[in-house]
Amino acid sequence: GENVGLHLPTLSVQEGDNSIINCAYSNSASDYFIWYKQESGKGPQFIIDIRSNMDKRQGQRVTVLLNKTVKHLSLQIAATQPGDSAVYFCAENARSGNTPLVFGKGTRLSVIA
Amino acid sequence: DTEVTQTPKHLVMGMTNKKSLKCEQHMGHRAMYWYKQKAKKPPELMFVYSYEKLSINESVPSRFSPECPNSSLLNLHLHALQPEDSALYLCASSQDQWNGNEQFFGPGTRLTVL
Repeated sequence: GENVGLHLPTLSVQEGDNSIINCAYSNSASDYFIWYKQESGKGPQFIIDIRSNMDKRQGQRVTVLLNKTVKHLSLQIAATQPGDSAVYFCAENARSGNTPLVFGKGTRLSVIA
Repeated sequence: DTEVTQTPKHLVMGMTNKKSLKCEQHMGHRAMYWYKQKAKKPPELMFVYSYEKLSINESVPSRFSPECPNSSLLNLHLHALQPEDSALYLCASSQDQWNGNEQFFGPGTRLTVL
């Protein structure tokens, strides 16, 4: 079936810089997207979501961009902090049909102090 | 209360043991999920319960048996597991299964099968 993938498995960023984590999806029926953060030994934690009727959504220090034309999703973290070090997963869901949430492979973000 | 709780946090069991994992949420969510996560991999969906009925079983071996006693509780009964079943087992819940809702995850149970 169609799934969600990521361009980069690891990302190292200097503390204070901005981070950009990318995600590609292939299911054109997907209309809901979520970014999760997972720290070592913990469950995934919701960061931000976006529906397909939007191109951009902002939260606290995070922005999600959705480009439906190229089926691309990105998570931008402003002023990256050591506490942002984690694995980040994108996930997608299609509203129609019996389709559960599908997770991408994950990107490990390492913040260099 | 926006929390999903799971017990135990850690579990070590032999291949002949029977054990159960428990999950609880009090957010009024009507969909609950079990996921299995191996190291450095994304969560893999195992089961979905929607309105206390099993909605999705992702071809999970019968040595894993889910149970949803009520809308707040979800159990996963384990019997005759294999060492390759060692993983982090995550429970999640969402408002419902159908409308693109955020899933809230618990902290997981770290299972080791000897």
